[in-house]
Amino acid sequence: DQQVKQNSPSLSVQEGRISILNCDYTNSMFDYFLWYKKYPAEGPTFLISISSIKDKNEDGRFTVFLNKSAKHLSLHIVPSQPGDSAVYFCAAFTQGGSEKLVFGKGTKLTVNP
Amino acid sequence: DAGITQSPRHKVTETGTPVTLRCHQTENHRYMYWYRQDPGHGLRLIHYSYGVKDTDKGEVSDGYSVSRSKTEDFLLTLESATSSQTSVYFCAISESGSGGARSYGYTFGSGTRLTVV
Repeated sequence: DQQVKQNSPSLSVQEGRISILNCDYTNSMFDYFLWYKKYPAEGPTFLISISSIKDKNEDGRFTVFLNKSAKHLSLHIVPSQPGDSAVYFCAAFTQGGSEKLVFGKGTKLTVNP
Repeated sequence: DAGITQSPRHKVTETGTPVTLRCHQTENHRYMYWYRQDPGHGLRLIHYSYGVKDTDKGEVSDGYSVSRSKTEDFLLTLESATSSQTSVYFCAISESGSGGARSYGYTFGSGTRLTVV
């Protein structure tokens, strides 16, 4: 039973345009969400997070939006750059609950020059 | 960079042999995790530790065991390697479990690519 779903295995966008990566979750107990970025032959690195008490969190070119009623979050990258080409993982957990992140399967983003 | 290293970085082993992967941290973090990454499956938790000698199973723990005798080291052992355990293995650390994740997320090592032939 997949609790965190990233239904798009891949996404291709042009440099300078917006990249939108989507993530859905099924466990209503999740109240904290994170995005990780992974380059080939490297470990995932933390990118941005959001608590369920917010609906938006912004960090430079990266913004995460959370729609609790739809159990959906999205990561916006504006403007996209070739260096953003990587696999992006969505992750979630329950604060005060299990001390474990649950990851989605990832979306491979390719930003074309 | 956070002080987390995995060894070896690459390993080829034969079916049926035991294999041990090592994760070493210099951050004195309480929580340590082992994940495997496979195409179409993303990152799946194998085992984790919430302190010295305190470990628990993740979602794909069959065929794996772990040990943590010191804060800085978390070992993953494949008791009898099978081809289905060919994967990339990542270790991660967290200062305080979900608390650490809340502030900056887990910190991952660079991975160990294991091939079982």
